[in-house]
Amino acid sequence: QAVVTQEPSLTVSPGGTVTLTCGSNTGAVTSGHFPFWFQQKPGHAPRTLIYDTNNKHSWTPARFSGSLLGGKAALTLSGAQPEDEAEYYCLLSYSGAHWVFGGGTKLTVL
Amino acid sequence: QVQLVESGGGVVQPGRSLRLSCAASGFTFKSFSMFWVRQAPGKGLEWVATISFDGSHKYYADSVKGRFTLSRDNSENTLDLEMNSLRGDDTAVYYCTRVDAYWGQGTLVTVSS
Repeated sequence: QAVVTQEPSLTVSPGGTVTLTCGSNTGAVTSGHFPFWFQQKPGHAPRTLIYDTNNKHSWTPARFSGSLLGGKAALTLSGAQPEDEAEYYCLLSYSGAHWVFGGGTKLTVL
Repeated sequence: QVQLVESGGGVVQPGRSLRLSCAASGFTFKSFSMFWVRQAPGKGLEWVATISFDGSHKYYADSVKGRFTLSRDNSENTLDLEMNSLRGDDTAVYYCTRVDAYWGQGTLVTVSS
């Protein structure tokens, strides 16, 4: 059973840069895991920010970017804004037949 | 615009069944795999099940395998989740989602006697 790990919490200063990571106990995360990143604010449904490692939607602020970094999937926020304070989840695909969310990262902008 | 609207949630006793539905609009439903994802109160997101674009492949989390059944009707743009033998740990908000882009607002399922 795959386990996906994220930092439980991170803090970034307004205007600062922070990288959230998403690792797998089965080995390096690759593009074959089709990493997704979601943002969720309290009381709201999740919102897809990044799909297939680094693809954005029209609604994804330009300050968010996805990548692979050191065997993990990564979400980098450059120029943090107060409205970026939220819970962030990653999702990995295992051969398309099993999908696992990370436990989430609570991002504080302070 | 794109809409995913879940329905069917509610309070149900342990061991009973419930059927969730999701009505999709605003995108070519028949072209995409669809997912159900749930979130227990105060907890993180949990993948529940996935169905391929044509319904030929279905995948389930171990926690629901054998109890939940996923189906879709591409002529009606609907996605259904039949949930049997419900347990207390199935209590959650259930989201219908095309995970690469769109999410519904969720429907709350509470399993309690």
